[in-house]
Amino acid sequence: EDKVVQSPLSLVVHEGDTVTLNCSYEVTNFRSLLWYKQEKKAPTFLFMLTSSGIEKKSGRLSSILDKKELFSILNITATQTGDSAVYLCAVVSGNTGKLIFGQGTTLQVKP
Amino acid sequence: EAQVTQNPRYLITVTGKKLTVTCSQNMNHEYMSWYRQDPGLGLRQIYYSMNVEVTDKGDVPEGYKVSRKEKRNFPLILESPSPNQTSLYFCASSPMTWAGELFFGEGSRLTVL
Repeated sequence: EDKVVQSPLSLVVHEGDTVTLNCSYEVTNFRSLLWYKQEKKAPTFLFMLTSSGIEKKSGRLSSILDKKELFSILNITATQTGDSAVYLCAVVSGNTGKLIFGQGTTLQVKP
Repeated sequence: EAQVTQNPRYLITVTGKKLTVTCSQNMNHEYMSWYRQDPGLGLRQIYYSMNVEVTDKGDVPEGYKVSRKEKRNFPLILESPSPNQTSLYFCASSPMTWAGELFFGEGSRLTVL
């Protein structure tokens, strides 16, 4: 059975801290891995990763994929209170439209 | 403005009363999908469509139907809603033929009594 597991499930940090969120997966036919940020509304897209070892970066956020060990990490440096959200990892399976999400990591950044 | 529009945004209904949640996108995307979000379970895919007249089951299709008669619309139908279908529902579309960068609607909060 395909599955995506995120850790930790929740995290509390202070502004300025650096955090690392983890996503591991087991899918029958991996195509890509996606990261989303969800505040009190719909998820918004952060990154799509398809190749191992190539870091994607956007401002203070970065992500990398390891297809051999079947995981990805999302790093957030110099966290701000506006980074407080649920971070979702999802994997696209095969040449289909099937998308499997992890449970999400709830990040709270305190002033 | 490029967007995915869902209606209704909030609905309280009773067991067994058929309902439809509409979803429309104005970005000419081929891929559309539906998800439900429940506490502790994250987002789970209900159905997806990679093109007009092409639909397929996600992880939790039981109790739901969909149709894709035209590119922009992808309604979610609950023929006989039950309380375990109380949830927050999201529709999403993608410019890729398979699921890639998804653009989500605002969500529809459904309560079945």
